[in-house]
Amino acid sequence: QQQVRQSPQSLTVWEGETAILNCSYENSAFDYFPWYQQFPGEGPALLISILSVSDKKEDGRFTIFFNKREKKLSLHIADSQPGDSATYFCAASAPGGYKVVFGSGTRLLVSP
Amino acid sequence: DSGVVQSPRHIIKEKGGRSVLTCIPISGHSNVVWYQQTLGKELKFLIQHYEKVERDKGFLPSRFSVQQFDDYHSEMNMSALELEDSAMYFCASSLTNQAPLFGEGTRLSVL
Repeated sequence: QQQVRQSPQSLTVWEGETAILNCSYENSAFDYFPWYQQFPGEGPALLISILSVSDKKEDGRFTIFFNKREKKLSLHIADSQPGDSATYFCAASAPGGYKVVFGSGTRLLVSP
Repeated sequence: DSGVVQSPRHIIKEKGGRSVLTCIPISGHSNVVWYQQTLGKELKFLIQHYEKVERDKGFLPSRFSVQQFDDYHSEMNMSALELEDSAMYFCASSLTNQAPLFGEGTRLSVL
């Protein structure tokens, strides 16, 4: 079963807009949520992450919003740039664990 | 460069052939995971080793085997290659409770 779900599968926004990528999970034990950015032909790169004790994490134009009660989180990309066009993966892991579960990804296209 | 190093970057094999993919994790990282990705879609979990012990197995075909060595580097031995094995293979390493860091991947083409 899909423990981590992402939506939408693909998203197109105009340059300068805020892109919102959604993620939800089933396992209440998950407490660490990294997001990855992947460009074609490259490996996924760690972009930003959040622990479940926080409800928000910012890093420049990238912000994670986390709702533990609803088991949902979202990645907001402010002032989207064409260079942000990539596939974004949401992932989750549990305490003391070494296995990270990945969602199926959201393909973002930022149009100039 | 101190990232995860995968080799080769691209390999072409004939159907029924064999191949070996190598992953050198970041120094000190004893957790190594392999993923398969086709056409830039989802990351399919294959297998995970921690401290040289297999911890979890996912979609790894029985034709493939993976071993982690004393220095924590990992090798994936692939045999009886099939056309559908054509994909990107990523290795990622981490410490416990940290996000895995990925290598650049190996592109396998089976003809």
